[in-house]
Amino acid sequence: AQSVTQPDIHITVSEGASLELRCNYSYGATPYLFWYVQSPGQGLQLLLKYFSGDTLVQGIKGFEAEFKRSQSSFNLRKPSVHWSDAAEYFCAVALNTGNQFYFGTGTSLTVIP
Amino acid sequence: SQTIHQWPATLVQPVGSPLSLECTVEGTSNPNLYWYRQAAGRGLQLLFYSVGIGQISSEVPQNLSASRPQDRQFILSSKKLLLSDSGFYLCAWSGGSKKDTQYFGPGTRLTVL
Repeated sequence: AQSVTQPDIHITVSEGASLELRCNYSYGATPYLFWYVQSPGQGLQLLLKYFSGDTLVQGIKGFEAEFKRSQSSFNLRKPSVHWSDAAEYFCAVALNTGNQFYFGTGTSLTVIP
Repeated sequence: SQTIHQWPATLVQPVGSPLSLECTVEGTSNPNLYWYRQAAGRGLQLLFYSVGIGQISSEVPQNLSASRPQDRQFILSSKKLLLSDSGFYLCAWSGGSKKDTQYFGPGTRLTVL
């Protein structure tokens, strides 16, 4: 069965430090990959997506993600975290069949001064 | 541009009462529509999706139902709410292509007492 794993339930980083959030997927072919961010009590906002081509994709708010086929991973990174980045982050996979997304369970990010 | 609306934003209902949550999309036609539930501290669970008027697919057996009476309207209902129906309900739309991004509404916070 297809699955999306975000192994880190919660991460705490200092403001200005770098950030990497992990995402691994289980699927036979390369899926379409997404990262979303959710502020408390809000809907999900798309940060970035990967369909094909360059494996390093740039998103909004200074985020980037790298697709690594050999590791079935799509990790999200930011070189310098801001306090406003504190939120819940979700990795998602869309398969090339059907109309569904599969979401990871999310990583909660806390930013300390 | 496309926008997605959900209402109400917050709802408190007694156990056994009915439920109707509404989602509408503007600025696009024939979208795919989705209902997700997000329980406290947990990821997103896909409840229903629809690829057209009157076409509903259910992902998990539950106390809820969905309907799509119009192209850009998606309704989540229940005849009798359970305590376990409490959560944050998110509606999303996509363009219908298998790799189209899903865009989320602001959500409805449902508390069943």
